[in-house]
Amino acid sequence: NAGVTQTPKFQVLKTGQSMTLQCAQDMNHNSMYWYRQDPGMGLRLIYYSASEGTTDKGEVPNGYNVSRLNKREFSLRLESAAPSQTSVYFCATTGSSYNSPLHFGNGTRLTVT
Amino acid sequence: AQRVTQPEKLLSVFKGAPVELKCNYSYSGSPELFWYVQYSRQRLQLLLRHISRESIKGFTADLNKGETSFHLKKPFAQEEDSAMYYCALSGGYQKVTFGTGTKLQVIP
Repeated sequence: NAGVTQTPKFQVLKTGQSMTLQCAQDMNHNSMYWYRQDPGMGLRLIYYSASEGTTDKGEVPNGYNVSRLNKREFSLRLESAAPSQTSVYFCATTGSSYNSPLHFGNGTRLTVT
Repeated sequence: AQRVTQPEKLLSVFKGAPVELKCNYSYSGSPELFWYVQYSRQRLQLLLRHISRESIKGFTADLNKGETSFHLKKPFAQEEDSAMYYCALSGGYQKVTFGTGTKLQVIP
């Protein structure tokens, strides 16, 4: 079992370019999340999906869009990348119970120049 | 709104010394609290959670609802404990919020 798989692992974009970060899980979890990790700011929630067909904004949604394609996949799109979006992005999943722990992917390191 | 506060960005202790990583939270309901750890070049992973009342790698954490705290403790620090530690809160609608993290540095 792969668990949570993120692609790509690294990406460099120029300001204004677009891209989609992919996340897939084989854990049969309902909930999926996108976080960004920045020095001194910890993990900040961008968007989450409590179940297939639903998505909700987190703390820092501006500049991002998401798609919960099916139960397995949750993608994060940057329509017009900005240097402020340079970060490490983590996808995570969890089961239905609110005390279920998160399972993380390996992260995507994105640099916007 | 739910919020998690970790006041220390960096905590340096000598090997064998006690460790306490502080975590305070704000949430109107009954939260579930977690500690996650990120070792160098590895993905974040669960260390322990409030509901399990377990000790993992010698670490424990007690939920204090009066002080709204969930501090992480270990009586004797080891070099392999050096890592980034995050406190997290799971509130309603499956929303999970993290603190800003504390880097633990264990000095040999």
